[in-house]
Amino acid sequence: GAVVSQHPSWVICKSGTSVKIECRSLDFQATTMFWYRQFPKQSLMLMATSNEGSKATYEQGVEKDKFLINHASLTLSTLTVTSAHPEDSSFYICSARFMGITSTDTQYFGPGTRLTVL
Amino acid sequence: EDQVTQSPEALRLQEGESSSLNCSYTVSGLRGLFWYRQDPGKGPEFLFTLYSAGEEKEKERLKATLTKKESFLHITAPKPEDSATYLCAVPNWAGGTSYGKLTFGQGTILTVHP
Repeated sequence: GAVVSQHPSWVICKSGTSVKIECRSLDFQATTMFWYRQFPKQSLMLMATSNEGSKATYEQGVEKDKFLINHASLTLSTLTVTSAHPEDSSFYICSARFMGITSTDTQYFGPGTRLTVL
Repeated sequence: EDQVTQSPEALRLQEGESSSLNCSYTVSGLRGLFWYRQDPGKGPEFLFTLYSAGEEKEKERLKATLTKKESFLHITAPKPEDSATYLCAVPNWAGGTSYGKLTFGQGTILTVHP
């Protein structure tokens, strides 16, 4: 199956600092990537859709100035949490949309990044 | 609005005790249903895509089936390593176009005891 990586896998930062998380599709090109947030014992919450070469589309209630998304290439999207605060502590997961030859359309997920803001 | 409901919320099995997880959906027009497995502290791992009623797919001890209203994930003779949260999801379509977004169910937490 297709492979998606995330870096870092975990990060601890001080309140007020910014943190960047990278999401890479390793063996396919992804014009669309997605960023999710997951709280303990809950399902995934979509934060935004990242499209290569254009602005990200944010879900209702997600602050676009706090969660900056850049999709500079067909294999890389980044999420920057700006001026992080303890309430931003969470598990962040990216996914990449794979469009197959036989009209298959599948999302493959990265391993996730655990962010802890002190 | 698309809706996906999974049941049960949690399932505890003994090793070797076969069972099924349910995913019922309400969508304007089904264009695929996905099953994922998620281990604690990790991202979801893709298992299956089903596109039409009657379709079945298998992988090791797992078999996914699809009807017009629901999907089942059958687990045959499970092992402790099958313990995980199983998620199903459907793609969102608007105006005949998919932007790739998924609607997820809340998941079923499966625990298999040795």
